[in-house]
Amino acid sequence: QVQLVQSGTEVKKPGASVKVSCKASGYTFTGYAISWVRQAPGQGIEWMGWISPYNGNTNYAQNLQGRVTMTTDTSTTTAYMELRSLRSDDTAVYYCAREGEGGSYYSYWGQGALVTVSS
Amino acid sequence: DIVMTQSPDSLAVSLGESATINCKSSQSVLYISNNENYLAWYQQKPGQPPKLLIYWASTRESGVPDRFSGSGSGTDFTLTISSLQAEDVAVYYCHQYHSTPWTFGQGTKVEIK
Repeated sequence: QVQLVQSGTEVKKPGASVKVSCKASGYTFTGYAISWVRQAPGQGIEWMGWISPYNGNTNYAQNLQGRVTMTTDTSTTTAYMELRSLRSDDTAVYYCAREGEGGSYYSYWGQGALVTVSS
Repeated sequence: DIVMTQSPDSLAVSLGESATINCKSSQSVLYISNNENYLAWYQQKPGQPPKLLIYWASTRESGVPDRFSGSGSGTDFTLTISSLQAEDVAVYYCHQYHSTPWTFGQGTKVEIK
């Protein structure tokens, strides 16, 4: 069965960086794009971008350009999202999600990783 | 960016009654070339990731009870829960995947009256 297992809770100071991982299993890793979305406490869902594990192509949300980098390691079927120059408003649960068959809706989700940015 | 606006923000429905959530997009999410609406619905319970309910505006995900249905086209969409059960208490989100940045509605909280 398809599973996306994310790394754990992180606490970071403003200005620091965080790298969240997403280990995929149960399907052909290179066959489906992985998106990253985030959800601030009590708030809605914000799309951050996606990456194709097949060729490494990425598409980032404009408001995060220059601060976010998404990568994949096909040897370990793991996707990574790094966010730099953290601010307090980056405090959120970060999710990886796999696209569905033939469309960029999200059939499978990781369990989420809470990133808290606080001095 | 396509802005997704849901209504209402919250609603309380009696068990067994119908719940209707609306989602309006600022631009059409219908691709004329394949006649598909690039619109999905998710259910999110506290402490859990969202769960896919509906995609292509009206296709129910495998395993989702048939009391959940999606309809609409172009810019106006509806999620209907035909006979509300206690386990349906959650926040529901619409999501357009027609044009990047993919965007979500602000969410609609469904409670039991």
